Amino acid sequence: EVQLVESGGGLVQPGRSLRLSCAASGFTFYDYAMHWVRQAPGKGLEWVSSISWNSGNIGYADSVKGRFTISRDNAKNSLYLQMNSLRTEDTAFYYCAKGRGGSSSSCLDYWGQGTLVTVSS
Amino acid sequence: DIQMTQSPSSVSASVGDRVTITCRASQGVSSWLAWYQQKPGKAPKLLIYVASGLQSGVPSRFSGSGSGTEFTLTISSLQPEDFATYYCQQTNSVPLTFGGGTKVEIK
Repeated sequence: EVQLVESGGGLVQPGRSLRLSCAASGFTFYDYAMHWVRQAPGKGLEWVSSISWNSGNIGYADSVKGRFTISRDNAKNSLYLQMNSLRTEDTAFYYCAKGRGGSSSSCLDYWGQGTLVTVSS
Repeated sequence: DIQMTQSPSSVSASVGDRVTITCRASQGVSSWLAWYQQKPGKAPKLLIYVASGLQSGVPSRFSGSGSGTEFTLTISSLQPEDFATYYCQQTNSVPLTFGGGTKVEIK
């Protein structure tokens, strides 16, 4: 059974940093692309970033480019999102999701339950 | 960036109704279009990939069609568990943009 468990969310002040983690199990992690998607409370889905199976292709939404960094450790079956210079508008539930294929532009076939990031002073 | 526009933003329907949701892309995405279902407080769930491929475990009353810039998601006979919000997403090119969502409500 595919499982994705996010951690690292919480309350942080504007301008500070936070690192999210996603622990994956139930599938061959290094074969698949991985994604981060966020959803502000009561709002729609926003794709944040994706990384291909071998980290060779990485993409970001314009709203986070230059501030967020996605990475993965295939030996640890883990995905990460380093978030710097956080803004109040980054407040959202952050979901880790598995790509349906190895490409960073694959659709998302399994999702974690999300972790809440609140940026507030 | 490719913009995705869904319509309607909400629809009221009864159990047994046929429901159709439309998604339009600001430029062609070939068949690189996915549909997701999200229920309150839950993570989204993949329904359809590559415009018309039914994800494993998804009931056959869900179907997708279209290519290029116009796509549809159809629920042939709405069931109580189908009341949710539906999102389209283009996976043709990064950034992988979502539509604004369509909420299917009980009439």
